[in-house]
Amino acid sequence: AQSVTQLDSHVSVSEGTPVLLRCNYSSSYSPSLFWYVQHPNKGLQLLLKYTSAATLVKGINGFEAEFKKSETSFHLTKPSAHMSDAAEYFCVVTPSGGYNKLIFGAGTRLAVHP
Amino acid sequence: EAQVTQNPRYLITVTGKKLTVTCSQNMNHEYMSWYRQDPGLGLRQIYYSMNVEVTDKGDVPEGYKVSRKEKRNFPLILESPSPNQTSLYFCASRLQGVGQPQHFGDGTRLSIL
Repeated sequence: AQSVTQLDSHVSVSEGTPVLLRCNYSSSYSPSLFWYVQHPNKGLQLLLKYTSAATLVKGINGFEAEFKKSETSFHLTKPSAHMSDAAEYFCVVTPSGGYNKLIFGAGTRLAVHP
Repeated sequence: EAQVTQNPRYLITVTGKKLTVTCSQNMNHEYMSWYRQDPGLGLRQIYYSMNVEVTDKGDVPEGYKVSRKEKRNFPLILESPSPNQTSLYFCASRLQGVGQPQHFGDGTRLSIL
């Protein structure tokens, strides 16, 4: 069965330090992978997506993620956190051949401290 | 502005009183979907629609109905709401095809007493 595991439910960083949000997936074939961000009282906004092109994907607001097939991982990083990055982040997979279905991770809440 | 619009944003109601949450998109997307979000569970798909008059169950369809009579609208219907349907609901839409990202509404918070 397909699944997505976000390894940390909460991550706390200081402003200006790097951000790492970890995601592992389980999928039989080449999936499409996404990271979404959710700010309070808002819907989910797409940060970036991987769809079998370059393995290092750049997204909005300075975020990027690297698809590592051997590790079945798609970790989200940012070199320097900003206060406005505080939000909840979701890793999402669409299994190959099952593109009508999205499988969401449970989410990682990122706190950024001054 | 391209958007997905849900109404109402907040609703408190009682068990058994039928309610409808509307969803409308202005991007001419074929695919629309409803999710519910519960703490620690991420988002779970309730129903989806690949086009007008084509709908199918997601992972948690029990207690919900949908219809897709027009391309832009995809209402979610709770015929007899129960407290376990208290949740945050999101509508989303996207173009058909592999790797197309979903565009989400701002959510509807339902409380069923």
